[in-house]
Amino acid sequence: EAQVTQNPRYLITVTGKKLTVTCSQNMNHEYMSWYRQDPGLGLRQIYYSMNVEVTDKGDVPEGYKVSRKEKRNFPLILESPSPNQTSLYFCASRATGGNQPQHFGDGTRLSIL
Amino acid sequence: GEDVEQSLFLSVREGDSSVINCTYTDSSSTYLYWYKQEPGAGLQLLTYIFSNMDMKQDQRLTVLLNKKDKHLSLRIADTQTGDSAIYFCAESNSSASKIIFGSGTRLSIRP
Repeated sequence: EAQVTQNPRYLITVTGKKLTVTCSQNMNHEYMSWYRQDPGLGLRQIYYSMNVEVTDKGDVPEGYKVSRKEKRNFPLILESPSPNQTSLYFCASRATGGNQPQHFGDGTRLSIL
Repeated sequence: GEDVEQSLFLSVREGDSSVINCTYTDSSSTYLYWYKQEPGAGLQLLTYIFSNMDMKQDQRLTVLLNKKDKHLSLRIADTQTGDSAIYFCAESNSSASKIIFGSGTRLSIRP
């Protein structure tokens, strides 16, 4: 089954404790992206990757890192999480082309205390 | 910077048509999208339109684009209870690398 898998689905942690949210897709998609969703703000793009070893900043990259060493994986790293990063995070992937649908994961709800 | 705006809520009666509106600011937008988000799930692409098109129809969905006014709308005909969700308007550049989403419109259906 074609899917985008994020882990963990839920995480409560404390300020400053490094964490990684994994994202994996099995569709051989070139493009992958991370978003955060906050009430009243919709989805905001954090980072995206057009292909392996190619990443670029979205609208809200501060406090986040990503890497794309393999095509299928695109982890999101919070080196020193802060409470303002408490949010619902989505990973997405798509094939090359703006008319291709993005496939979204089910989301990761992070709470930073 | 680029911005996409939508009203937050819409309530319609079952069987009526729903019209969700969106405005955007980036005149160089190439793709305009409508996504649907059901509770506890990620987003699902419903439809998209190229910026050089005025209208696109797909079964119960009709997208209208007024490029001059930078206004996009989604019409859902014969709205059903299964259409209850949050609907996001989004726009992107020609490479579709950066995508800007609106804040979403929550559609509720009353009997």
